[in-house]
Amino acid sequence: AQSVTQPDIHITVSEGASLELRCNYSYGATPYLFWYVQSPGQGLQLLLKYFSGDTLVQGIKGFEAEFKRSQSSFNLRKPSVHWSDAAEYFCAVGYSGGGADGLTFGKGTHLIIQP
Amino acid sequence: DVKVTQSSRYLVKRTGEKVFLECVQDMDHENMFWYRQDPGLGLRLIYFSYDVKMKEKGDIPEGYSVSREKKERFSLILESASTNQTSMYLCASSFWGNNQPQHFGDGTRLSIL
Repeated sequence: AQSVTQPDIHITVSEGASLELRCNYSYGATPYLFWYVQSPGQGLQLLLKYFSGDTLVQGIKGFEAEFKRSQSSFNLRKPSVHWSDAAEYFCAVGYSGGGADGLTFGKGTHLIIQP
Repeated sequence: DVKVTQSSRYLVKRTGEKVFLECVQDMDHENMFWYRQDPGLGLRLIYFSYDVKMKEKGDIPEGYSVSREKKERFSLILESASTNQTSMYLCASSFWGNNQPQHFGDGTRLSIL
């Protein structure tokens, strides 16, 4: 069975500093990979996705993520965080076969921005 | 923009009641999903549907059922609500295919007293 691990439950970063959120997955084939952000009281918003091709993908709000097959990782990065980036971030993986299965989500990383 | 609308943001019900959570999407998506979100556990899939009247169990279907009579509407039903079903419930939809991103509603925070 596929699984997703986000090793950091909480991360605190100073405003203007760089950010990296870690995500590791377990899956036999190349997965479909997603990062979502959830602001307080809201649903999840898609930041970016990876299916194939260039392993560095760009998303919304200035985020990017890099797929590393050798490390089974899909880490999210941002060069300079803003106070509005404080939120919960979820990594998710989908099967590369089939067409109608739910995603498997990590447990989330809570990002705190210090002024 | 895709719009996924959940009928209630907050809901309070009593133990033993039959509870309906409604979700409507406006993008003609084939797939619809119900997740439950709990602190420290992330999102867990309850049920999903890939077509009208079709449904598949997710990871935690016990105590729940679903209904999809129309393509745009997917209902989650708690047959006899229990306190351990107090949670945030998120509905999502997508086009057919696991490479399609899922679009989420704002969630329903359900409290069972």
